[in-house]
Amino acid sequence: EPEVTQTPSHQVTQMGQEVILRCVPISNHLYFYWYRQILGQKVEFLVSFYNNEISEKSEIFDDQFSVERPDGSNFTLKIRSTKLEDSAMYFCASRDRGDSPLHFGNGTRLTVT
Amino acid sequence: QKEVEQDPGPLSVPEGAIVSLNCTYSNSAFQYFMWYRQYSRKGPELLMYTYSSGNKEDGRFTAQVDKSSKYISLFIRDSQPSDSATYLCAAWYSSASKIIFGSGTRLSIRP
Repeated sequence: EPEVTQTPSHQVTQMGQEVILRCVPISNHLYFYWYRQILGQKVEFLVSFYNNEISEKSEIFDDQFSVERPDGSNFTLKIRSTKLEDSAMYFCASRDRGDSPLHFGNGTRLTVT
Repeated sequence: QKEVEQDPGPLSVPEGAIVSLNCTYSNSAFQYFMWYRQYSRKGPELLMYTYSSGNKEDGRFTAQVDKSSKYISLFIRDSQPSDSATYLCAAWYSSASKIIFGSGTRLSIRP
């Protein structure tokens, strides 16, 4: 069964550094998302992306965050200057149509020291 | 008020028991409802996906949606230790881009 793949599985970075989290969504999917989950807390929406532009973003997704679909297969989340509170699991998700459910990757665990 | 509310548990039941997991939601515009299962340090895995009110069954799992009371349920029959995980309910409406998750219920099945 096709799946969403995310790399790396674990990223450790120092505060103030830039990180790029990478995702390969399912190949025929058109809608792309980033969610995050701080340890022990709920899964929170960050941003949705469709037709090469951001559809919606949450208040968490401030100027330090950006997303990009640089080619036909990858979908990236960049954090420009990481903060300690950015430490979390970051999940990429995709779906094929407007009314189909999300399929998630296994996440990247980001640790900011 | 949170849009989707879920009792965080933990909930512990013996193997073979019927498990009932529940959520409530506040936004009457929600039309699509999902249950995801999440194992530790893994991504959410889609279990059930329903549209509007009614029941949907898949193997040992049954999802129920009651839009009149804004109540979502997941029943697990003949529960197994491998069902031990966090269960997330989620909802959205077709005109919105995002899915809203509950906080998750941690379930443990005792052998």
